[in-house]
Amino acid sequence: SQQGEEDPQALSIQEGENATMNCSYKTSINNLQWYRQNSGRGLVHLILIRSNEREKHSGRLRVTLDTSKKSSSLLITASRAADTASYFCAPWANAGKSTFGDGTTLTVKP
Amino acid sequence: DAGVTQSPTHLIKTRGQQVTLRCSPKSGHDTVSWYQQALGQGPQFIFQYYEEEERQRGNFPDRFSGHQFPNYSSELNVNALLLGDSALYLCASSPARVREQYFGPGTRLTVT
Repeated sequence: SQQGEEDPQALSIQEGENATMNCSYKTSINNLQWYRQNSGRGLVHLILIRSNEREKHSGRLRVTLDTSKKSSSLLITASRAADTASYFCAPWANAGKSTFGDGTTLTVKP
Repeated sequence: DAGVTQSPTHLIKTRGQQVTLRCSPKSGHDTVSWYQQALGQGPQFIFQYYEEEERQRGNFPDRFSGHQFPNYSSELNVNALLLGDSALYLCASSPARVREQYFGPGTRLTVT
């Protein structure tokens, strides 16, 4: 199975600043997905980037994928207090199962 | 369109007991996966069901079993509960062969 490892473990920024978190994985993938989880609730799918894509945008989110380095990054621009959450990456290969790392906990201070 | 629903929301059980958790997938989804999330950790994959069969399984003992019904809803059963089974249990659904998963709100299980 694939496991994503998020970095840093925790990130604290001021409202309005940008937040960048990274994900590394070990083997070839079909796509990589980012999820957000607010305190003890279900995960919310944010964005999916396919292995043949290098960059993808969705609103204030920008995701990059470097398959040669087996890494991805999630950038949240102009952060808001409501962005406070844990963020997880999930790399997917044909085998069909993926596991999550322990996530990056983002705190956005008003 | 209802998203993924799970029941119950919270559950308290005693060691040694058995528990059944339920999940209804998002409309149009036929693949259901279950995850266990301990406090402060990421979700750990338990198993995935498609066409009423277990297709993939994570590193969980046989005490964890499941079922998928013809309407694609699913159950997770845990026998002989241990204190360490206390966690948030998440169900996720997806269209077959597409990896975008939609998660339910989870069931918080406490084993005392």
